[in-house]
Amino acid sequence: GAGVSQTPSNKVTEKGKYVELRCDPISGHTALYWYRQSLGQGPEFLIYFQGTGAADDSGLPNDRFFAVRPEGSVSTLKIQRTERGDSAVYLCASSLIGLGGSDTQYFGPGTRLTVL
Amino acid sequence: SQQGEEDPQALSIQEGENATMNCSYKTSINNLQWYRQNSGRGLVHLILIRSNEREKHSGRLRVTLDTSKKSSSLLITASRAADTASYFCANRDGNKLVFGAGTILRVKS
Repeated sequence: GAGVSQTPSNKVTEKGKYVELRCDPISGHTALYWYRQSLGQGPEFLIYFQGTGAADDSGLPNDRFFAVRPEGSVSTLKIQRTERGDSAVYLCASSLIGLGGSDTQYFGPGTRLTVL
Repeated sequence: SQQGEEDPQALSIQEGENATMNCSYKTSINNLQWYRQNSGRGLVHLILIRSNEREKHSGRLRVTLDTSKKSSSLLITASRAADTASYFCANRDGNKLVFGAGTILRVKS
């Protein structure tokens, strides 16, 4: 079946602009995760959804970052007033159950965000 | 912030040789997972080893876990050019994965 998809694959924006990044998880997966990966580093956790609710948003760096998952499927990561330091690859993952279990997280191809 | 470190940071070997990557972590774990990433994009899950396991195999992959030393190793045997990628270990912390900085593996043909 289809894996996790993310759009756009690349996004170039100017400092101060607003951007939205979209994630389509694997159908039927209740858990959805956002990570951010800077060049030369491993992914860093941003936020985790269980169904429609954000169960853990402890990784969001500041209040310019916000994510939603209104129907428990597609999620959108929103970044306001972008800064050059926001440039990174934003990865989305989904898993069947979440809830602290050992189920595998399946990652999408990522969105490469460049803030000029 | 990320926990754990992988070493080496980069590894270059000839096709057919074995590649060993090590990972250390700081907190207690339920399980430890290894992922591969090509071209800085999506990660592919390779193998999961639980805290009560010491060794696990999957095809050409062998993972060991030493909870007393808080370390794990990934061995890729008979490497191929297609194994060229970045490899990350990840510790499950509640619902999130905490990744190390990764090892860049280059397999020369």
